[in-house]
Amino acid sequence: AQTVTQSQPEMSVQEAETVTLSCTYDTSESDYYLFWYKQPPSRQMILVIRQEAYKQQNATENRFSVNFQKAAKSFSLKISDSQLGDAAMYFCAYRDLTSGTYKYIFGTGTRLKVLA
Amino acid sequence: DAGVTQSPTHLIKTRGQQVTLRCSPKSGHDTVSWYQQALGQGPQFIFQYYEEEERQRGNFPDRFSGHQFPNYSSELNVNALWLGDSALYLCASSRLDRGPYEQYFGPGTRLTVT
Repeated sequence: AQTVTQSQPEMSVQEAETVTLSCTYDTSESDYYLFWYKQPPSRQMILVIRQEAYKQQNATENRFSVNFQKAAKSFSLKISDSQLGDAAMYFCAYRDLTSGTYKYIFGTGTRLKVLA
Repeated sequence: DAGVTQSPTHLIKTRGQQVTLRCSPKSGHDTVSWYQQALGQGPQFIFQYYEEEERQRGNFPDRFSGHQFPNYSSELNVNALWLGDSALYLCASSRLDRGPYEQYFGPGTRLTVT
């Protein structure tokens, strides 16, 4: 069964600095999507960035970028120029494309604190 | 364009009772998934509905059931509530052809079972 692991329950970063959140996953499939979602105190999950497994190029969205290492099954999120509004829970998620499943599998999350 | 909406926002129930949670998908979306998020955990997939049928189910007991209506809105029903059902229940909608890489979440319903 596929699993997603986030080993950092909590991280802190100084405003304007850079922080990296870690995520590892386990799968025997070759085609899948990986996501980072942000969940602020308002509770609504917001998509931050996604990566298709067959694309070697790392995805970027403004201040957010990923380091996707397919062989190592690692998918970390880098937030540059951190802002107070980045403070939230961040969840790594996996979506298989080849086994006929429709569910997203989430990690346990990393709470990011941004210090002024 | 309204996003995914859920009702109610909060709910308090007693053990043994039954509860119904509601979800309206984002305009243009035809697929609805439900997730349970326990405190301090990531969301866990309950089931997904498409064309008014349950398309896939996660590892949840039969006490959890759902329904999708012709207008694509959906309900999640939980019978015989117990304390462990206390959680945030999230609804996510997508278009069938875009579900693999794009789903939108609602703000959730916080259920407390006492």
